[in-house]
This record gives sequence, C-alpha cells and structure tokens, in this order.
Amino acid sequence: AQKITQTQPGMFVQEKEAVTLDCTYDTSDPSYGLFWYKQPSSGEMIFLIYQGSYDQQNATEGRYSLNFQKARKSANLVISASQLGDSAMYFCAMREALWRGSTLGRLYFGRGTQLTVWP
Amino acid sequence: DAGVIQSPRHEVTEMGQEVTLRCKPISGHDYLFWYRQTMMRGLELLIYFNNNVPIDDSGMPEDRFSAKMPNASFSTLKIQPSEPRDSAVYFCASSSKSDRNFLWNTEAFFGQGTRLTVV
Repeated sequence: AQKITQTQPGMFVQEKEAVTLDCTYDTSDPSYGLFWYKQPSSGEMIFLIYQGSYDQQNATEGRYSLNFQKARKSANLVISASQLGDSAMYFCAMREALWRGSTLGRLYFGRGTQLTVWP
Repeated sequence: DAGVIQSPRHEVTEMGQEVTLRCKPISGHDYLFWYRQTMMRGLELLIYFNNNVPIDDSGMPEDRFSAKMPNASFSTLKIQPSEPRDSAVYFCASSSKSDRNFLWNTEAFFGQGTRLTVV
C-alpha cells in the first residue's frame, strides 16, 4: 500500500487566489511527522512546512498552512495568495517513529502535484 | 552551514562506465538518504544510513548499485556498469534527531542533486 497518496497530478490557480494540494497518508504508528516540499523547475527540494501527529493545531508558515485531519489521515497544503513563483512541483512526505524492521527514520514521499500559477 | 553538498551536478557517461556520485551531509546530521527521481517513478528511496550504517537498502535496484558511508561527512553512490535506464536525478539528503531525541519531526535537507545521463 502507498504510504503517501497525492491524487492531483496537476493543479492550476490564478495569481492571488488560494489553492489546496491534497495529501493522504497511511500509517498505524501513533507518532509520525508530515512534511511538504517544493521543487521548482531548477530542481532543488525546498522544505516548506511540518506537522507532527501530536500537534493540536494546524501548522502555518507564512502563506503556507497545513490542514491536518488526523482521523481522515489527510494533510493538505494550503497556499494563500498564490504568486507566480509558487509554480512548482509539491511533494508530501511522512516519517514514522516506531521501529518496524528497517523503516526507522525512513522518509516516504508521494508522487507530487505540479502547481501552475497563472496571471 | 553550506547545506548538503553533492558532486558532480551533472554527469554524462557512456553505457558500461562506472559512475560515482558523492555527498557531504550537513555536519551533525546522523541520517543520510539517497533518492533517485525520474518522471516515470517519481522519488524513489534507494538506501539510507544512520550513523554511517546502512539501515535499508531494499530500494537499490540491482547489484550494479552500491553505496558507502565511510565516515559521518561523506557518502558515495556507485553504479557499475551504468546503463541508459539509470539516467535520472540522484538526490542526497540528510537529517538529524530533534533536540527531544525524536525522529519523526526533523525534516530532511536535500542537496542540489546530480543529473546523470547515460548514453
């Protein structure tokens, strides 16, 4: 089973509008972390935001916020006031905490969502 | 800190040749990951190390691939012999435990990647 599922291969949003990028995850561990990364066309992977499984509040970092719904196992990224520079591939990732054979510390990635912001 | 440093940034080689990719993690980080990114398969975890010890190499595609981490500040990924289907962007990433000694709430920092083309 996929650990991280991103169902939107591509998304389009107009500049200054908000956009939500979907991410669902699969784990039976009570302790885990969820991450979002941005990969612009230049290729580097840029960390955006983190949400811990025990965090009571949704994480926010500037224009980025994470809509964390634990019961539904979803961790959607919300970008407010989109800018042209937000056009990039966005990856959702998860780290589990418990030792399960060799998975301790492993970082799982989804397939990504290509976001295009148009003027 | 200079971040995770990978070399070379670009590599073009002929089929059958040996290729060595290099990575210097962030000082003090005790996890090191090697990922491969292609359009078809997305981001694949090849292998990761904890305290210089390989923890999970199940993602290494074939015996042609090998990785070493002789010390905390250096790792190599070697492909011998290389094949055209190995063409991809190879990322190295590192992370550490948090100050609370947890594992799941520390993001991975990525290098700029090595774009490998095997002709």
